[in-house]
Amino acid sequence: EAGVVQSPRYKIIEKKQPVAFWCNPISGHNTLYWYLQNLGQGPELLIRYENEEAVDDSQLPKDRFSAERLKGVDSTLKIQPAELGDSAVYLCASSLGPPAYEQYFGPGTRLTVT
Amino acid sequence: KNEVEQSPQNLTAQEGEFITINCSYSVGISALHWLQQHPGGGIVSLFMLSSGKKKHGRLIATINIQEKHSSLHITASHPRDSAVYICAPLDQGNLIFGKGTKLSVKP
Repeated sequence: EAGVVQSPRYKIIEKKQPVAFWCNPISGHNTLYWYLQNLGQGPELLIRYENEEAVDDSQLPKDRFSAERLKGVDSTLKIQPAELGDSAVYLCASSLGPPAYEQYFGPGTRLTVT
Repeated sequence: KNEVEQSPQNLTAQEGEFITINCSYSVGISALHWLQQHPGGGIVSLFMLSSGKKKHGRLIATINIQEKHSSLHITASHPRDSAVYICAPLDQGNLIFGKGTKLSVKP
Protein backbone atom coordinates (compact mmCIF):
# COMPACT_ATOMS: atom_id res chain seq x y z
CA GLU A 1 0.00 0.00 0.00
CA ALA A 2 1.36 3.43 -0.92
CA GLY A 3 2.17 5.79 1.90
CA VAL A 4 1.43 9.49 2.11
CA VAL A 5 2.60 11.15 -1.08
CA GLN A 6 3.81 14.73 -1.21
CA SER A 7 5.05 16.85 -4.05
CA PRO A 8 7.27 18.53 -4.80
CA ARG A 9 10.01 17.23 -2.51
CA TYR A 10 12.04 20.40 -2.84
CA LYS A 11 11.12 23.90 -3.89
CA ILE A 12 13.22 27.05 -4.19
CA ILE A 13 11.45 30.32 -4.84
CA GLU A 14 12.12 34.01 -4.49
CA LYS A 15 10.33 35.97 -1.80
CA LYS A 16 6.92 37.37 -2.74
CA GLN A 17 6.33 34.49 -5.15
CA PRO A 18 3.46 32.02 -4.62
CA VAL A 19 4.04 28.33 -3.92
CA ALA A 20 1.78 25.31 -3.56
CA PHE A 21 2.30 21.91 -1.98
CA TRP A 22 0.25 18.82 -2.70
CA CYS A 23 -0.53 15.86 -0.48
CA ASN A 24 -2.28 12.58 -1.22
CA PRO A 25 -3.04 10.68 2.01
CA ILE A 26 -3.25 6.95 2.49
CA SER A 27 -6.44 5.59 0.96
CA GLY A 28 -9.28 5.54 3.46
CA HIS A 29 -7.67 7.98 5.88
CA ASN A 30 -10.25 10.58 6.80
CA THR A 31 -8.00 12.85 8.81
CA LEU A 32 -5.29 14.90 7.13
CA TYR A 33 -2.76 17.21 8.75
CA TRP A 34 -0.40 19.85 7.46
CA TYR A 35 2.60 20.60 9.67
CA LEU A 36 5.49 23.03 9.43
CA GLN A 37 8.89 21.96 10.75
CA ASN A 38 11.76 24.36 11.26
CA LEU A 39 15.30 23.07 11.59
CA GLY A 40 15.94 21.58 15.00
CA GLN A 41 12.33 21.88 16.05
CA GLY A 42 9.39 19.52 16.25
CA PRO A 43 6.54 19.79 13.76
CA GLU A 44 3.89 22.45 14.37
CA LEU A 45 0.31 21.94 13.24
CA LEU A 46 -0.95 24.29 10.56
CA ILE A 47 -4.32 22.74 9.81
CA ARG A 48 -6.25 19.54 10.46
CA TYR A 49 -8.97 18.19 8.19
CA GLU A 50 -11.55 15.59 8.97
CA ASN A 51 -12.84 14.60 5.54
CA GLU A 52 -13.27 17.91 3.70
CA GLU A 53 -13.84 19.99 6.83
CA ALA A 54 -11.02 22.03 8.37
CA VAL A 55 -11.62 21.27 12.05
CA ASP A 56 -8.59 23.15 13.37
CA ASP A 57 -6.92 25.95 11.43
CA SER A 58 -6.15 28.15 14.40
CA GLN A 59 -2.39 28.06 13.73
CA LEU A 60 -2.65 28.76 10.00
CA PRO A 61 -1.45 32.30 9.13
CA LYS A 62 -4.47 33.13 7.06
CA ASP A 63 -3.11 36.35 5.63
CA ARG A 64 -0.78 34.38 3.37
CA PHE A 65 -1.52 30.68 3.83
CA SER A 66 -4.52 28.80 2.50
CA ALA A 67 -5.42 25.15 2.24
CA GLU A 68 -8.11 23.06 0.66
CA ARG A 69 -9.29 19.47 0.63
CA LEU A 70 -12.24 19.72 -1.71
CA LYS A 71 -13.28 16.09 -2.07
CA GLY A 72 -11.97 14.90 1.27
CA VAL A 73 -9.04 13.10 -0.32
CA ASP A 74 -5.98 14.99 -1.51
CA SER A 75 -5.09 18.42 -0.25
CA THR A 76 -3.20 21.52 -1.34
CA LEU A 77 -1.42 24.03 0.88
CA LYS A 78 -0.61 27.41 -0.65
CA ILE A 79 1.53 30.34 0.41
CA GLN A 80 1.06 33.67 -1.32
CA PRO A 81 3.23 35.66 -1.11
CA ALA A 82 6.11 33.70 0.38
CA GLU A 83 8.45 35.36 2.89
CA LEU A 84 12.00 34.48 3.86
CA GLY A 85 10.76 33.12 7.19
CA ASP A 86 8.60 30.55 5.44
CA SER A 87 11.67 28.47 4.62
CA ALA A 88 11.00 25.16 6.37
CA VAL A 89 9.86 21.60 5.74
CA TYR A 90 6.13 21.22 5.18
CA LEU A 91 4.86 17.84 6.29
CA CYS A 92 1.58 16.16 5.49
CA ALA A 93 0.23 13.32 7.61
CA SER A 94 -2.92 11.24 7.61
CA SER A 95 -4.73 8.92 9.96
CA LEU A 96 -7.80 6.68 9.98
CA GLY A 97 -9.58 8.75 12.56
CA PRO A 98 -9.19 11.22 15.38
CA PRO A 99 -5.73 12.26 16.56
CA ALA A 100 -5.44 9.38 19.00
CA TYR A 101 -4.97 7.15 15.97
CA GLU A 102 -1.50 6.56 14.54
CA GLN A 103 -0.44 9.26 12.10
CA TYR A 104 1.43 8.39 8.92
CA PHE A 105 3.75 11.07 7.64
CA GLY A 106 4.77 11.94 4.11
CA PRO A 107 8.40 12.72 3.21
CA GLY A 108 7.80 16.46 3.36
CA THR A 109 8.48 19.36 1.03
CA ARG A 110 11.59 21.38 1.79
CA LEU A 111 10.89 25.00 0.89
CA THR A 112 13.67 27.53 0.50
CA VAL A 113 12.69 31.16 0.03
CA THR A 114 15.51 33.39 -1.25
CA LYS B 1 6.43 28.47 26.89
CA ASN B 2 7.66 24.91 26.50
CA GLU B 3 4.78 22.54 26.96
CA VAL B 4 6.91 19.50 26.15
CA GLU B 5 10.43 19.06 27.46
CA GLN B 6 12.66 16.25 26.30
CA SER B 7 15.97 15.23 27.79
CA PRO B 8 18.63 14.86 26.81
CA GLN B 9 18.59 17.01 23.67
CA ASN B 10 21.54 15.10 22.25
CA LEU B 11 22.78 11.65 23.14
CA THR B 12 25.77 9.69 21.91
CA ALA B 13 26.00 6.02 22.85
CA GLN B 14 28.11 3.01 22.05
CA GLU B 15 26.50 0.09 20.28
CA GLY B 16 24.86 -2.23 22.77
CA GLU B 17 24.15 0.39 25.41
CA PHE B 18 20.77 0.83 27.07
CA ILE B 19 19.23 4.17 26.08
CA THR B 20 16.67 6.25 27.96
CA ILE B 21 14.97 9.37 26.61
CA ASN B 22 12.69 11.32 28.91
CA CYS B 23 9.68 13.49 28.18
CA SER B 24 7.86 15.79 30.58
CA TYR B 25 4.81 17.78 29.60
CA SER B 26 2.66 20.44 31.18
CA VAL B 27 -0.55 20.00 29.18
CA GLY B 28 -3.39 17.73 30.19
CA ILE B 29 -3.45 14.81 27.82
CA SER B 30 -5.39 11.72 26.83
CA ALA B 31 -2.51 9.95 25.13
CA LEU B 32 1.09 10.40 24.07
CA HIS B 33 2.95 9.45 20.91
CA TRP B 34 6.61 8.64 20.42
CA LEU B 35 7.93 9.14 16.90
CA GLN B 36 11.22 8.59 15.12
CA GLN B 37 12.64 10.92 12.50
CA HIS B 38 15.56 9.87 10.33
CA PRO B 39 17.87 12.30 8.52
CA GLY B 40 16.06 13.43 5.40
CA GLY B 41 12.84 13.98 7.26
CA GLY B 42 10.82 10.77 7.28
CA ILE B 43 8.77 10.49 10.50
CA VAL B 44 7.53 7.15 11.74
CA SER B 45 5.17 6.59 14.64
CA LEU B 46 6.66 4.21 17.22
CA PHE B 47 4.09 4.14 20.00
CA MET B 48 0.82 5.61 21.13
CA LEU B 49 0.13 5.05 24.80
CA SER B 50 -2.25 6.34 27.41
CA SER B 51 -1.14 4.31 30.41
CA GLY B 52 1.44 1.86 31.59
CA LYS B 53 3.97 0.38 29.24
CA LYS B 54 4.30 -0.85 25.66
CA LYS B 55 7.05 -2.88 24.02
CA HIS B 56 7.95 -3.35 20.36
CA GLY B 57 11.10 -5.34 19.83
CA ARG B 58 13.97 -3.49 21.50
CA LEU B 59 11.87 -0.40 22.18
CA ILE B 60 9.93 0.13 25.39
CA ALA B 61 7.74 3.15 26.20
CA THR B 62 6.30 3.98 29.58
CA ILE B 63 3.99 6.72 30.75
CA ASN B 64 2.89 8.08 34.11
CA ILE B 65 -0.16 10.25 33.48
CA GLN B 66 -0.29 11.59 37.06
CA GLU B 67 3.33 12.72 36.96
CA LYS B 68 3.05 13.89 33.32
CA HIS B 69 6.13 11.98 32.32
CA SER B 70 7.00 9.41 29.70
CA SER B 71 10.18 7.56 28.84
CA LEU B 72 11.42 5.77 25.76
CA HIS B 73 13.99 3.01 26.27
CA ILE B 74 16.09 1.25 23.67
CA THR B 75 17.77 -1.98 24.70
CA ALA B 76 20.92 -3.23 22.97
CA SER B 77 21.21 -0.07 20.88
CA HIS B 78 22.45 -0.33 17.30
CA PRO B 79 23.82 2.27 14.86
CA ARG B 80 20.60 1.98 12.84
CA ASP B 81 18.77 3.42 15.89
CA SER B 82 20.51 6.74 15.18
CA ALA B 83 17.71 9.24 14.61
CA VAL B 84 15.74 11.98 16.31
CA TYR B 85 13.13 10.71 18.77
CA ILE B 86 10.14 12.97 19.32
CA CYS B 87 7.63 12.93 22.14
CA ALA B 88 4.17 14.27 21.28
CA PRO B 89 1.40 14.45 23.87
CA LEU B 90 -2.15 14.59 22.56
CA ASP B 91 -3.85 17.73 23.89
CA GLN B 92 -7.38 18.75 22.90
CA GLY B 93 -7.25 16.81 19.68
CA ASN B 94 -3.80 17.85 18.50
CA LEU B 95 -0.30 16.50 18.97
CA ILE B 96 2.08 18.89 20.73
CA PHE B 97 5.54 17.94 19.52
CA GLY B 98 8.72 18.21 21.56
CA LYS B 99 11.94 19.39 19.91
CA GLY B 100 13.25 15.87 19.85
CA THR B 101 16.28 14.02 21.15
CA LYS B 102 19.03 13.41 18.63
CA LEU B 103 20.52 9.96 19.22
CA SER B 104 23.76 8.82 17.67
CA VAL B 105 24.84 5.22 18.25
CA LYS B 106 28.49 4.53 17.45
CA PRO B 107 29.66 1.07 16.36
